[in-house]
Amino acid sequence: DTAVSQTPKYLVTQMGNDKSIKCEQNLGHDTMYWYKQDSKKFLKIMFSYNNKELIINETVPNRFSPKSPDKAHLNLHINSLELGDSAVYFCASSQGVFGPDTQYFGPGTRLTVL
Amino acid sequence: AQSVTQLDSQVPVFEEAPVELRCNYSSSVSVYLFWYVQYPNQGLQLLLKYLSGSTLVKGINGFEAEFNKSQTSFHLRKPSVHISDTAEYFCAVARQAGTALIFGKGTTLSVSS
Repeated sequence: DTAVSQTPKYLVTQMGNDKSIKCEQNLGHDTMYWYKQDSKKFLKIMFSYNNKELIINETVPNRFSPKSPDKAHLNLHINSLELGDSAVYFCASSQGVFGPDTQYFGPGTRLTVL
Repeated sequence: AQSVTQLDSQVPVFEEAPVELRCNYSSSVSVYLFWYVQYPNQGLQLLLKYLSGSTLVKGINGFEAEFNKSQTSFHLRKPSVHISDTAEYFCAVARQAGTALIFGKGTTLSVSS
């Protein structure tokens, strides 16, 4: 059973397009996250949701819009894709809101913008 | 603000040799410390974490780390590595009242025979 799943695994698209990445967790966790890993493998938090409410938005461009239909899902929609959006996007989840809870990561979605 | 520095970007070692991956953090408040491993083309997996208490933390796959408050370090060690330990290793911190992990830039561990 996959704890945190993401679709698609690979996404290749043209500049200017709009695309979505889906994330689902079956761990019963309350908090979900999106991280971006750049070409140098640096990981940075983008968003965090707790029980469908946004609690972290780390100065991410407005073209990125997370949507949480329920606490098991956190999707990422990206408008007007740019070359610099090429990266691996990881979804993660944890039980609580505070620091010590282990975050469980999905397998990642490799986005390539041409 | 918190930050994490992983002092070595690449660490090549031979199989069965010991290894230490270094991590220093800076924070004006108490933090929780983590080591995650990323195997090629996979997501991140937790190796171990320090919350409080004993400064020596044991994790999965024979790894351990020692929290040193005076040196603000959380170095990862393994006495004898295997080829299968080849991966990217990330040190991370989280604030007590925060949620998101702040990652270091990662250390590539390459184990050869």
